[in-house]
Amino acid sequence: EAGVVQSPRYKIIEKKQPVAFWCNPISGHNTLYWYRQNLGQGPELLIRYENEEAVDDSQLPKDRFSAERLKGVDSTLKIQPAELGDSAVYLCASSPGTSGYEQYFGPGTRLTVT
Amino acid sequence: AQSVTQLDSQVPVFEEAPVELRCNYSSSVSVYLFWYVQYPNQGLQLLLKYLSGSTLVESINGFEAEFNKSQTSFHLRKPSVHISDTAEYFCAVSKHNTDKLIFGTGTRLQVFP
Repeated sequence: EAGVVQSPRYKIIEKKQPVAFWCNPISGHNTLYWYRQNLGQGPELLIRYENEEAVDDSQLPKDRFSAERLKGVDSTLKIQPAELGDSAVYLCASSPGTSGYEQYFGPGTRLTVT
Repeated sequence: AQSVTQLDSQVPVFEEAPVELRCNYSSSVSVYLFWYVQYPNQGLQLLLKYLSGSTLVESINGFEAEFNKSQTSFHLRKPSVHISDTAEYFCAVSKHNTDKLIFGTGTRLQVFP
């Protein structure tokens, strides 16, 4: 069974530029999560989807971040414009359900904003 | 709100020695507890979890953790570590009936030969 796929694995951009990250969850997993992991910290939830609906986006900085999950499968996270403080690893995870189910994480996208 | 504290940012240990990675949590409601492991250049993987029942939970590779409600702890232990256990370990908590994970800052376990 294929795991959670993310691309690109690494991205270097200049500040004020846009950037997008892509995630393909495990087949059949209805719940999808985007996390941000700053250096030396644990992951922090940005947004959670149930199928195509964003059910928790309270931690998403909506002035510059956006996300979508068309057709309830793949998802894209976008930052526009990027700031220096956005440098981090962006993790995607998926789960077959909620409340106590294991979340399966992708390898992440390491973003460096210069 | 929930929070997780992992006091040890790094734990160096020699191969075959025992290890304990500490995790304390804060919550006013009942929680689920998790340990995730992150090997270099890989995503996080679930190591073990406590949802209910026996307070001692085990993983398939020899790790165990015990839920201690009175001390609000969920320490991870292994009686004899291997070089391959070198990784970052994250403790996490979620409220019952939710799946929002709150992670600690992680503990880097470095096993030396």
